[in-house]
Amino acid sequence: QQQVKQSPQSLIVQKGGISIINCAYENTAFDYFPWYQQFPGKGPALLIAIRPDVSEKKEGRFTISFNKSAKQFSLHIMDSQPGDSATYFCAASMKGGNQFYFGTGTSLTVIP
Amino acid sequence: DAGITQSPRHKVTETGTPVTLRCHQTENHRYMYWYRQDPGHGLRLIHYSYGVKDTDKGEVSDGYSVSRSKTEDFLLTLESATSSQTSVYFCAISGVGGDTGELFFGEGSRLTVL
Repeated sequence: QQQVKQSPQSLIVQKGGISIINCAYENTAFDYFPWYQQFPGKGPALLIAIRPDVSEKKEGRFTISFNKSAKQFSLHIMDSQPGDSATYFCAASMKGGNQFYFGTGTSLTVIP
Repeated sequence: DAGITQSPRHKVTETGTPVTLRCHQTENHRYMYWYRQDPGHGLRLIHYSYGVKDTDKGEVSDGYSVSRSKTEDFLLTLESATSSQTSVYFCAISGVGGDTGELFFGEGSRLTVL
């Protein structure tokens, strides 16, 4: 049973466009929601994270939008660049928990 | 980069043989994790450790065992490898676990079971 559902599976965006990846969860005990970025042949690396006490967090061109009532959160990549082409994973964890639960990943391709 | 080394990085083996993957960290982090990555499934937790000799199962632990006799080393063993265990395996470490902790991943070990 997938604790965190992620969509779309793949995404193609023109350079300069906005990339949007969505995630949904059911467990209301989750209280930490990170996004990881993975380049081919490498391990994932933390990109940005949010807690449910805020509705949005922005770091440069990357923004997480969080909707607590809908139990959804999304990653927006503004002004997408070819260098952003990677696989993105959303994840969730619980307060005091040891585990991270990952979505199935989104393969993003930004075409010049 | 976090000091995480996985070995071997690539391995081809035959069905029924035992396989051990090693994760070595130089960060003195408490938590260590083994994930497998498969297309369409993302990252799935196999086992994790929250201290020396303290381990617990993840969501896909069947067919795998782990050991952690030292803070820096976390071993993943496939007692009798099967083709369904062909995957890329990632070790990850964290200083504070899932509460607020950032996971630092190794570069992965690609295992092919023929």
